[in-house]
Amino acid sequence: NAGVTQTPKFQVLKTGQSMTLQCAQDMNHEYMSWYRQDPGMGLRLIHYSVGAGITDQGEVPNGYNVSRSTTEDFPLRLLSAAPSQTSVYFCASTPGTGGKLFFGSGTQLSVL
Amino acid sequence: GQQLNQSPQSMFIQEGEDVSMNCTSSSIFNTWLWYKQDPGEGPVLLIALYKAGELTSNGRLTAQFGITRKDSFLNISASIPSDVGIYFCAGQGGSGANSKLTFGKGITLSVRP
Repeated sequence: NAGVTQTPKFQVLKTGQSMTLQCAQDMNHEYMSWYRQDPGMGLRLIHYSVGAGITDQGEVPNGYNVSRSTTEDFPLRLLSAAPSQTSVYFCASTPGTGGKLFFGSGTQLSVL
Repeated sequence: GQQLNQSPQSMFIQEGEDVSMNCTSSSIFNTWLWYKQDPGEGPVLLIALYKAGELTSNGRLTAQFGITRKDSFLNISASIPSDVGIYFCAGQGGSGANSKLTFGKGITLSVRP
């Protein structure tokens, strides 16, 4: 089992560029989520999905877009990158209740 | 919103020592979890706690769900170099899949050989 796979591992963008961070899981988990991690800030929830076709906003959703067309995939889109979006991004999935998240290995994004 | 407090931000211990961390909140949680993040990796679940007063062990790690449901503790005994990393606590108010987790800011643990 690959678990939760994130690509790319590293990315550098210029301000205003757009890109999509990919996330895929092979555990048939219904719940998937995106977090960003900044120094001294812990993990903050960006968007989440409780199943295919259902998404909702987390704590810091501005500047990000998500969709969930399949159970396996949950991409995160930056429509117009800003330096404030420089961060490490983690995708996570869980089978359901209990808060047991399985995290990907992260994408380190720098916006210049 | 809900906040979890973890302090200090960093801890430095000698190999072989025990270390304790706590996590406090002004809100009640139904689930407490502890995660560890190795450098360059995503967090990995260490221990999950589901009942007030519950004490659960995972090898050298022991965690407790506070009886007030507003705090949790993690103890690491006989530390080793591979214990280095960031330790996050997390709380969940509900029990459904859409009950979002609230994470603490993490404690960075350094172990001197």
